[in-house]
Amino acid sequence: DVKVTQSSRYLVKRTGEKVFLECVQDMDHENMFWYRQDPGLGLRLIYFSYDVKMKEKGDIPEGYSVSREKKERFSLILESASTNQTSMYLCASSLESGAAYEQYFGPGTRLTVT
Amino acid sequence: AQSVTQLGSHVSVSEGALVLLRCNYSSSVPPYLFWYVQYPNQGLQLLLKYTSAATLVKGINGFEAEFKKSETSFHLTKPSAHMSDAAEYFCAVSDLRGKLIFGQGTELSVKP
Repeated sequence: DVKVTQSSRYLVKRTGEKVFLECVQDMDHENMFWYRQDPGLGLRLIYFSYDVKMKEKGDIPEGYSVSREKKERFSLILESASTNQTSMYLCASSLESGAAYEQYFGPGTRLTVT
Repeated sequence: AQSVTQLGSHVSVSEGALVLLRCNYSSSVPPYLFWYVQYPNQGLQLLLKYTSAATLVKGINGFEAEFKKSETSFHLTKPSAHMSDAAEYFCAVSDLRGKLIFGQGTELSVKP
């Protein structure tokens, strides 16, 4: 079974702090994704990576950056957290690029910025 | 551009009743379509996917979905709801690179 793990289930940070969310997958998947989930808006793609050190902006990249130094690990960085970044963050991975490949999701990190 | 619309943010059914969750898509290329389920405080889990092999797709936990090109729909059904089906359900369409575009989600409640 594919396993996608996220470093924290719940996180509380203060406005202006730098926040790191870590995601690790154990199935040698090429692609990794970061989403945020908000009620009534579904999941929105923040960034994705299709190879080590390669990244591409998703639909809502403002205020976020990412890092992928190793194939199995994909980090989401909030350079200066703001209250409007309070949300559920979900990481996912897929085997290869292509429409037929499903994504496997981690359990999510619920981030609260106060 | 591709998009997905899920009709109804909340659906409530009685235990044993038919479950019908509606999804309409827009795509300029032959679509690959997915249904995911999210149980409380968990990540998303794949229920089923359509990849053009067959229009009626069977998934896990007794769910199935039918692809109707003429109606641009991919509705999710289950003949008999169970209490454990209470969750949020997401329909998604994939672009050619494997990026998913999600609908807004439908929360399913099951009454005893």
